[in-house]
Amino acid sequence: DTAVSQTPKYLVTQMGNDKSIKCEQNLGHDTMYWYKQDSKKFLKIMFSYNNKELIINETVPNRFSPKSPDKAHLNLHINSLELGDSAVYFCASSLMGQLTGELFFGEGSRLTVL
Amino acid sequence: SQQGEEDPQALSIQEGENATMNCSYKTSINNLQWYRQNSGRGLVHLILIRSNEREKHSGRLRVTLDTSKKSSSLLITASRAADTASYFCATEVNNDMRFGAGTRLTVKP
Repeated sequence: DTAVSQTPKYLVTQMGNDKSIKCEQNLGHDTMYWYKQDSKKFLKIMFSYNNKELIINETVPNRFSPKSPDKAHLNLHINSLELGDSAVYFCASSLMGQLTGELFFGEGSRLTVL
Repeated sequence: SQQGEEDPQALSIQEGENATMNCSYKTSINNLQWYRQNSGRGLVHLILIRSNEREKHSGRLRVTLDTSKKSSSLLITASRAADTASYFCATEVNNDMRFGAGTRLTVKP
């Protein structure tokens, strides 16, 4: 059973389009995250949700909007896609925030904006 | 902003050799973690070391932490071709996890 699953795995789209990436975790964790990994492999946190409440919102453009319908799901919606949005986006979850340590990551969603 | 910085950026060794990767960070931390990422896959947690610990072992992995130097090292002993991956350190500061850019390890059979 996949602990953290995200879809789609690959997404190719045109500039200006709107797209969503979905994430679900079946670990019963309280906190979920979105990270962005660029071409140089830097992994940067974008958002963190704890029990459906946003607790981290790094300086990402307003075009990115996380949506958490329940604590097992954290979807990422991106409006008006730009070339610079091309990256691999990772969803992750942890128990009771990060103080317990371990993050569980999904397999990533590679977004290519043409 | 990034917190941890791994060194070297890339490391190539022969199977059976030991691999050492280093991580430096900037601010005080609660704990430091190491993760592994195979090509095209998500990150997988390897080991966590808390700020009051100096050394930790897990199988062929040995992690050290020197809070006075704000640095950590990951040693993989008796490396195998299957250890080929990118290795990241991550530091937790006030409930916020920050990653470096990773060390790309290649183990040649």
